[in-house]
Amino acid sequence: NAGVTQTPKFRVLKTGQSMTLLCAQDMNHEYMYWYRQDPGMGLRLIHYSVGEGTTAKGEVPDGYNVSRLKKQNFLLGLESAAPSQTSVYFCASSYRTDLMNTEAFFGQGTRLTVV
Amino acid sequence: AQSVTQLGSHVSVSEGALVLLRCNYSSSVPPYLFWYVQYPNQGLQLLLKYTTGATLVKGINGFEAEFKKSETSFHLTKPSAHMSDAAEYFCAVKSAHRGTGNQFYFGTGTSLTVIP
Repeated sequence: NAGVTQTPKFRVLKTGQSMTLLCAQDMNHEYMYWYRQDPGMGLRLIHYSVGEGTTAKGEVPDGYNVSRLKKQNFLLGLESAAPSQTSVYFCASSYRTDLMNTEAFFGQGTRLTVV
Repeated sequence: AQSVTQLGSHVSVSEGALVLLRCNYSSSVPPYLFWYVQYPNQGLQLLLKYTTGATLVKGINGFEAEFKKSETSFHLTKPSAHMSDAAEYFCAVKSAHRGTGNQFYFGTGTSLTVIP
């Protein structure tokens, strides 16, 4: 059982380039999330999805777009990368359930550097 | 609104000493609380979670946390630190507003160093 898989693990972009980060989960989770992690700031929510075909903005959505065309996949896009987007990106997923104590499961992260 | 505050961005303890990592939460509804651990260059792994009922929660690797509603706290402890406990620890609270997709709100993290 792979859990949550992120692709790629590392990437270096030049300012203005575009790229897509892929997140795949095999746990049949309804909810999926994209976070960025920066030193001293913890994890901040970029976008999230409560189901196939739906997305919503989180705390820091500017400069990013997302799509959830299939239940198991959640894509994060950077249309025109900026140095401020240098960060470690984490994808997570969780069950949609009335049991609110269900946790989020995380991928291994993507380390992105924009030069 | 939900939020968590982790007091102390860096904590150092000697091997064998008590580990205490502090977390206070803000929630207008009954909270759902979590502790995660992140080892270098890895993703976040669940240590433990609070469910309604028992206020003392036991997790993996000998960690436990106590939910104290009167103090709005959910501090993480371990009686005896091991070198392998060196990592970043995150406290998180989950929104009880189901329409917003069960969002998790994370603290800024506490880096634990274990001194031999």
